[in-house]
Amino acid sequence: DVKVTQSSRYLVKRTGEKVFLECVQDMDHENMFWYRQDPGLGLRLIYFSYDVKMKEKGDIPEGYSVSREKKERFSLILESASTNQTSMYLCASSLIGTGLSGNTIYFGEGSWLTVV
Amino acid sequence: RKEVEQDPGPFNVPEGATVAFNCTYSNSASQSFFWYRQDCRKEPKLLMSVYSSGNEDGRFTAQLNRASQYISLLIRDSKLSDSATYLCVVRDFGNEKLTFGTGTRLTIIP
Repeated sequence: DVKVTQSSRYLVKRTGEKVFLECVQDMDHENMFWYRQDPGLGLRLIYFSYDVKMKEKGDIPEGYSVSREKKERFSLILESASTNQTSMYLCASSLIGTGLSGNTIYFGEGSWLTVV
Repeated sequence: RKEVEQDPGPFNVPEGATVAFNCTYSNSASQSFFWYRQDCRKEPKLLMSVYSSGNEDGRFTAQLNRASQYISLLIRDSKLSDSATYLCVVRDFGNEKLTFGTGTRLTIIP
């Protein structure tokens, strides 16, 4: 079974703090993603990466950065946390490619971040 | 217009009934389609892929209408355990990203 692990499940941070959210996958997937999910807005893509040290902006990258130094690990960084970044953050991974099986995306359990 | 649109619901349906959801997508170049299920405060999980010819998995049937740019999910003989949010997901040709609808919330009532 694919395993995507988000090490921090519940965090409370202060405005202005730097926040790191870590994600590790164990299936040698090329693609990794960070989404945030908010009521009424669904899942919105923040950043994704299709290879080590490669990254692309998603739909809402402002206020975030990412790091992918190893294939299995994709980190989301909030440089200076703000209250509007309170949300559930979901990491995901998938194989690269155009086949249907390559498009299946596997999610971690989510990280619930509250910024006060 | 949103790329992927779903009726948010909630749908409150008696146990044993049949329920259908639709989802529309705006990009005619979209290539792959999926339904994901998300339980409360959990991560989304793949329910089924949607093929051009339509496909069935037990009580679940998915259909794709490329001409009208919508996909559907039919659940027959609904169970209490079907209560969840159902997410419509679309992937565009030549793109590794997936676009999610906001989800349709379903509650099965005993």
